[in-house]
Amino acid sequence: AQSVTQLDSQVPVFEEAPVELRCNYSSSVSVYLFWYVQYPNQGLQLLLKYLSGSTLVKGINGFEAEFNKSQTSFHLRKPSVHISDTAEYFCAVSDRDSGTYKYIFGTGTRLKVLA
Amino acid sequence: DGGITQSPKYLFRKEGQNVTLSCEQNLNHDAMYWYRQDPGQGLRLIYYSQIVNDFQKGDIAEGYSVSREKKESFPLTVTSAQKNPTAFYLCASRVTASSGNTIYFGEGSWLTVV
Repeated sequence: AQSVTQLDSQVPVFEEAPVELRCNYSSSVSVYLFWYVQYPNQGLQLLLKYLSGSTLVKGINGFEAEFNKSQTSFHLRKPSVHISDTAEYFCAVSDRDSGTYKYIFGTGTRLKVLA
Repeated sequence: DGGITQSPKYLFRKEGQNVTLSCEQNLNHDAMYWYRQDPGQGLRLIYYSQIVNDFQKGDIAEGYSVSREKKESFPLTVTSAQKNPTAFYLCASRVTASSGNTIYFGEGSWLTVV
């Protein structure tokens, strides 16, 4: 069964520094990949998604992610973070060939941007 | 304004009571989902429905029930059989396959047992 691993539960980083949030998934079959952000007491908001094509995906708020099929990874990056980026980030995967359209989520990474 | 509306935002349940969380979407999405979120555990799938009048159990369906009588609505009932229901509940719906299989979320509902 498909699984998603977010290795870092918390990532502290200073404002204006770069950040990378790591995501690995278990299966190498064709997948759709997503990153979501969650602010306190709110639902999840889509940051970006990989469906096909270019392996470098750009999203909202200056975030980008790179799909690496050989390493089954989809790491999220931002070259310069702001205080407002403090939130929890979730990686998710959906099997492209699955008829059930189920989405598997990682356990989340809490990004804390320090002044 | 298009979107997914969950209500109530906060709900308190007494021991032994059933409660129902509402989820309505006006996005014309076919599939709808319920997830439970607990600290440090990410999101876990409770139930999902791909079409009206059809739904399937997710990974943690015990103690929960759903219905899908209308395309727009997918209410979740937390029954007294759910022994640890205090959590944040998220409803979601999915864009059709031709648009990339993206899942979108409502704002969530907090359920607390008192």
